[in-house]
Amino acid sequence: EVQLVESGGGLVQPGGSLRLTCVVSGFPFSGYYMSWVRQTPEKGLEWVANIKPDGNEQKYVDSVKGRFTISRDNARSSIYLQMNSLRGEDTALYYCASGRWMWDNWGRGTLVTVSS
Amino acid sequence: DIVMTQSPNSLAVSLGERATIKCKSSQSVLYSPNNQTYLNWYQQKPGQPPKLLIYRAFTRESGVPARFSGSGSGTDFTLTISSLQAEDVAVYYCQQYYGIPPTFGGGTKVEIK
Repeated sequence: EVQLVESGGGLVQPGGSLRLTCVVSGFPFSGYYMSWVRQTPEKGLEWVANIKPDGNEQKYVDSVKGRFTISRDNARSSIYLQMNSLRGEDTALYYCASGRWMWDNWGRGTLVTVSS
Repeated sequence: DIVMTQSPNSLAVSLGERATIKCKSSQSVLYSPNNQTYLNWYQQKPGQPPKLLIYRAFTRESGVPARFSGSGSGTDFTLTISSLQAEDVAVYYCQQYYGIPPTFGGGTKVEIK
């Protein structure tokens, strides 16, 4: 059974940092692109970042470039999202998903709230 | 960025009847070198993550019932549920990946009349 389990969300003040983790099981993780996608009631679904299977290439949506970093550890079947300089508009449910530009397996998400 | 516009925002359909959801992209999502259309459809039920239903405009993901079908070309696309079932109550999203960043439509909520 394919499972993606996100963790690391929470309440953080503007300007603060969080690190999200996604642990994957049930498919050959090291051969897949992986992504983070976020969702809010106001803006809907938004792709955030993806990472190549070998970890050597990352892509980001413009609004998070220079603030967020996606990484992976294939030995641990995990991906990460380091989020710095957080803003109110980063408040969202963050999903981990398998795929580069379309996503066929999703976790249940971890909620990030940026507020003072 | 390519803007995806869905209509209607919501619709109520009787059980067993057809549901039709439209999606329009601000530019063509047809990649001419391989003649592939970079348009997907997702279903999101309450409290769950999105689920990939149809990719490249027409192809059903494995396990998706045949009552779901995708059609369209260029900038105009349609998701059709041929005979609505109770378990199809959800929000449906289109998504393009011709342009980077990939972008989603605002969603269409399908309910039972």
